[in-house]
Amino acid sequence: DIVMTQSPDSLAVSLGERATINCESSQNILKSSSNQNYLAWFQHKPGQPPKLLISWASTRASGVPDRFRGSGSGTHFTLTIASLQAEDVAVYYCQQYWSAPLTFGGGTKVEIK
Amino acid sequence: EVQLAESGGDLVQPGGSLRLSCIASGLTFSNNWMQWVRQAPGKGLEWVANIGQDGSQKNYVDSVKGRFTISRDNAKNSLFLQMNSLRGEDTAVYYCAAGSGWIIDDWGQGTRVTVSS
Repeated sequence: DIVMTQSPDSLAVSLGERATINCESSQNILKSSSNQNYLAWFQHKPGQPPKLLISWASTRASGVPDRFRGSGSGTHFTLTIASLQAEDVAVYYCQQYWSAPLTFGGGTKVEIK
Repeated sequence: EVQLAESGGDLVQPGGSLRLSCIASGLTFSNNWMQWVRQAPGKGLEWVANIGQDGSQKNYVDSVKGRFTISRDNAKNSLFLQMNSLRGEDTAVYYCAAGSGWIIDDWGQGTRVTVSS
C-alpha cells in the first residue's frame, strides 16, 4: 500500500498570509509516459462533505479559487494557499489514486492566527 | 448538479450487518467509478472500496475485505455497501463518492454508522 504522509499536522496562519502543506508518498505516483501525478487535494470543513480542490497534483477543480495551488512531482507534493481567507479554515487531505487501496494523508488542520 | 444521497446508517451491535445505499442524480451514473469513503470520529478520511462502471471491477481496503461488499445497480442509479461482521472500528460517517476514473469529484453528505452494544 502507498502511504501518504502530510506535514504539518496543523498550522495557524494570519489572514492574507501564505499557508503551505506538504505531502509525501511512499512510492512514486508519476506516470512518466503521460507526465501525470496521481495526486489529489481535498478540503474538509466540519459538518460538510470533503471537496475536491486539485487533481493531477496541480489542476484546480471547477470553481476553486486561484489562491489554491498544487505543485510537486514523483513523491513530494505541496498545497499552497497564497492568501489565507477566513473561509479556508478546514482540514486538508492529500490522496493518491495511483493504485488501490486509494490512500489519504493524515490531514492538516488550517486555522487563523 | 451532481447529487449523491446516502441512506441506511444506523446503530448496530458488533457482529451485525447493515446495508448502505446511495442514489445518484445529475450524472451519467453508468459512466462513473463509484467509491465509499469513511471518517471515524476524530479521525481522518479512509477510503473503503470502489467499483467500476459495469460492476465487474471492485477494490477494497484490507480491513474490510471478506466482510464488506460493494455493488451497484446502473438501472436505478444506485450504489450499495453490504457490511457484515461489523466491528467497533467500523463506526464512522460513510460517504458515497463519484468521479472520473478514480478521481473523487463529488461527495454525498454521508450516513452515520455506529457499531456498539
